[in-house]
Parts: sequence; structure tokens; C-alpha cells
Amino acid sequence: DAKTTQPPSMDCAEGRAANLPCNHSTISGNEYVYWYRQIHSQGPQYIIHGLKNNETNEMASLIITEDRKSSTLILPHATLRDTAVYYCIALNNAGNMLTFGGGTRLMVKP
Amino acid sequence: KAGVTQTPRYLIKTRGQQVTLSCSPISGHRSVSWYQQTPGQGLQFLFEYFSETQRNKGNFPGRFSGRQFSNSRSEMNVSTLELGDSALYLCASSPDREDGYTFGSGTRLTVV
Repeated sequence: DAKTTQPPSMDCAEGRAANLPCNHSTISGNEYVYWYRQIHSQGPQYIIHGLKNNETNEMASLIITEDRKSSTLILPHATLRDTAVYYCIALNNAGNMLTFGGGTRLMVKP
Repeated sequence: KAGVTQTPRYLIKTRGQQVTLSCSPISGHRSVSWYQQTPGQGLQFLFEYFSETQRNKGNFPGRFSGRQFSNSRSEMNVSTLELGDSALYLCASSPDREDGYTFGSGTRLTVV
């Protein structure tokens, strides 16, 4: 599975959009981009995933660049409860293990 | 529907002892994976079971083992506990390599 790179930390004002970047320049054609988040002392929570098209669900939007070398997770209206560590993972469609990097610690501030 | 259930939530063991942790996946999910999370190493994959067979294994010593039962429930065992085994142990289930692994809340193991 491709390695991903994320900034270690980010701040966001409550009510504003949080844009979390992820670099996955070595991603291969059959690898999906998954996003999880982990709120302190809880298990990771699945957010969204995509292959090459942009995706949206009730939690977030995922924007993947045309060359698939990077992506951005967008939380459209961040709340204090969105404060968490966000992990970007590249996983092929036969993959059965998630390789977590350091993630981005998002701090949503009032 | 019920989520992934891990028991116990907290555990304190003495160095040299062994421990067994339990994970009940979401009904219908046949894949169960285990992860270890420590402040120093982050989240690391231990192993994955599917239909009672270990399909993949991470880079952990043989003291770490697991199994899966016919009802998809899984257990992991750590023998001869070391202080460094203190960690949050997480279980995740999925239908089979499909979108979104669902994690449990974990078992926090402290070795003293």
C-alpha cells in the first residue's frame, strides 16, 4: 500500500470549513484513499473513501486530484466535536490491513 | 445495529502473565482485524482473520496470537506479558475488504 503524508496538526475555527490535505504520490491505480478519525480514547471512525471521483457523504467531502497524487478531506462546518486525529490511508481493493501514519491532529477552536 | 464489542474495556496484568481479549464483530461481518495502539508507535496492525483463518499478520512476535470462531467472534492472546505490551488494543470488523472497517472502543491493557 502507498505511503501517505499529512501535516501533523491543524487548527480550524468553529463553523468554518476544515480542509485536511493528504499526499499519496506513490498511489497505484487500484488503491483507494480512505479517511478515518480518532477521537481521544475511542476507536477510529470511518469517514469516507474514494478511488478517483470526488465523494460526499453526511460527514464530509473527499476531493481527489486528477493525477491522484493528493487528496483533501473537507468538513464543511467544523464543530468542537470534530476535534480529533484524522488519518488518510491508501488501500488497494484486495487490502485487508490498514496502515496508519501519524495523522493530522485537528483542533477546532471556538 | 450493534457495533463491534470488545471486552474487557480495561485490564491490569502483571509482567509474565498472559491475557486474552475478546471481540464480537458486527453481525454478518466475517473479517476481524486487531491493532495495537501505543503513544510511541501509533496504530499498528497485528493480524486479520476471515472465516476462522488468519489471512494476514503484522510484524509482532509470536507471543501475540489470535483465533476466530465459527460465529466470527475473535480472541487475541498475549503470553509472557512485557511492560511494553501496555497499549490500547483495537478490533475492527468488515464484511470482507469492503468499504469501511468498523472499530470497537478497544481494550486498554496495562502491564505492571
